[in-house]
Amino acid sequence: GESVGLHLPTLSVQEGDNSIINCAYSNSASDYFIWYKQESGKGPQFIIDIRSNMDKRQGQRVTVLLNKTVKHLSLQIAATQPGDSAVYFCAENMRGAQKLVFGQGTRLTINP
Amino acid sequence: DAGVIQSPRHEVTEMGQEVTLRCKPISGHNSLFWYRQTMMRGLELLIYFNNNVPIDDSGMPEDRFSAKMPNASFSTLKIQPSEPRDSAVYFCASSLVPREQYFGPGTRLTVT
Repeated sequence: GESVGLHLPTLSVQEGDNSIINCAYSNSASDYFIWYKQESGKGPQFIIDIRSNMDKRQGQRVTVLLNKTVKHLSLQIAATQPGDSAVYFCAENMRGAQKLVFGQGTRLTINP
Repeated sequence: DAGVIQSPRHEVTEMGQEVTLRCKPISGHNSLFWYRQTMMRGLELLIYFNNNVPIDDSGMPEDRFSAKMPNASFSTLKIQPSEPRDSAVYFCASSLVPREQYFGPGTRLTVT
């Protein structure tokens, strides 16, 4: 699928390095946040989520950090691999609502 | 689990023609979402259904767009008449647990 925005932020990292992708969310009432990964020609895939009562959550090679004070979310990918090349989206959600509001997206490219 | 199934994967049509996009959600999921993704506007929610009932269609761009969900295993998004600005990738997503959405592979629509 196409990525987002003419000015899609891009992050280039060396294979094996750690990647940090940032996201600023807009709604202070949001209490649930998700990171999605979208590879070329595919739909977004769930990576990891975090609720607002947490500051950090770890998965396999990924960590999400939440700073509610400044409404900022980050996704850290350890030991980046070629298969991590994709566009990464954050999404926010309010309690009681099913709608997700997606951010602009960041394109991650891996240099060999 | 087959995941969310969308058809067709690619559609090329001429301006003025009717276009119908199809979605089969994951079995057992009770919510279904239609999104549109473009370079300019990113990922936008068009409409979503709970238990086959449309809940929020505020994202539907205009009356040319309509969506139906006649049963729990099938939904359609129709554009009539289509216009070149409708060209985009259209995603369907489904969920069982509120806020955990699983996306299909998308339909790439080109209107000439």
